Amino acid sequence: EPEVTQTPSHQVTQMGQEVILRCVPISNHLYFYWYRQILGQKVEFLVSFYNNEISEKSEIFDDQFSVERPDGSNFTLKIRSTKLEDSAMYFCAASASALNEQFFGPGTRLTVL
Amino acid sequence: QKEVEQNSGPLSVPEGAIASLNCTYSDRGSQSFFWYRQYSGKSPELIMSIYSNGDKEDGRFTAQLNKASQYVSLLIRDSQPSDSATYLCAAAFNNAGNMLTFGGGTRLMVKP
Repeated sequence: EPEVTQTPSHQVTQMGQEVILRCVPISNHLYFYWYRQILGQKVEFLVSFYNNEISEKSEIFDDQFSVERPDGSNFTLKIRSTKLEDSAMYFCAASASALNEQFFGPGTRLTVL
Repeated sequence: QKEVEQNSGPLSVPEGAIASLNCTYSDRGSQSFFWYRQYSGKSPELIMSIYSNGDKEDGRFTAQLNKASQYVSLLIRDSQPSDSATYLCAAAFNNAGNMLTFGGGTRLMVKP
């Protein structure tokens, strides 16, 4: 069964540095999402992406965050200047349509020191 | 503010019993509902989706939706120790973004 994949599995960075988290969605899925989960807390929506545009974004997704699909397969989340509070698991998800189930990748654990 | 509420648990059931997990949501515009299972340190794994009032069965799992009461539940029959995990309820308001709003999850422990 096709899966969403994410790299790296764990990223350690210094505060203020830029990080790029990568995702390869399921090939026939057209809607892509980023969520994050701070340790012990709820899964929180960050952004949804369709047809090379952001469809919706949460208050968390401020101007320090950006997403793009640079080559038609990878879907990336960039954090320009990381803060300590950005430390979390970041999950990429994909769905075949706006109404369908979302399938999650294994996540990237981001640790900001 | 769209919210999804779950009892954090833990819910402890003996092996072979029925586990009943519940979820309420605040936004009457929510139209799609999902149950995910999350093992510690892992990503959410989709178990079931439900879109209309009533019951939906898939193997040992039954999802129930009552839109009038803004209530979703998940029943797990013949619970196994491998079912021990945190179960996340999520709701979507079907606009173009289709963001999922998650509850905090209920931790289920199935004792052999």
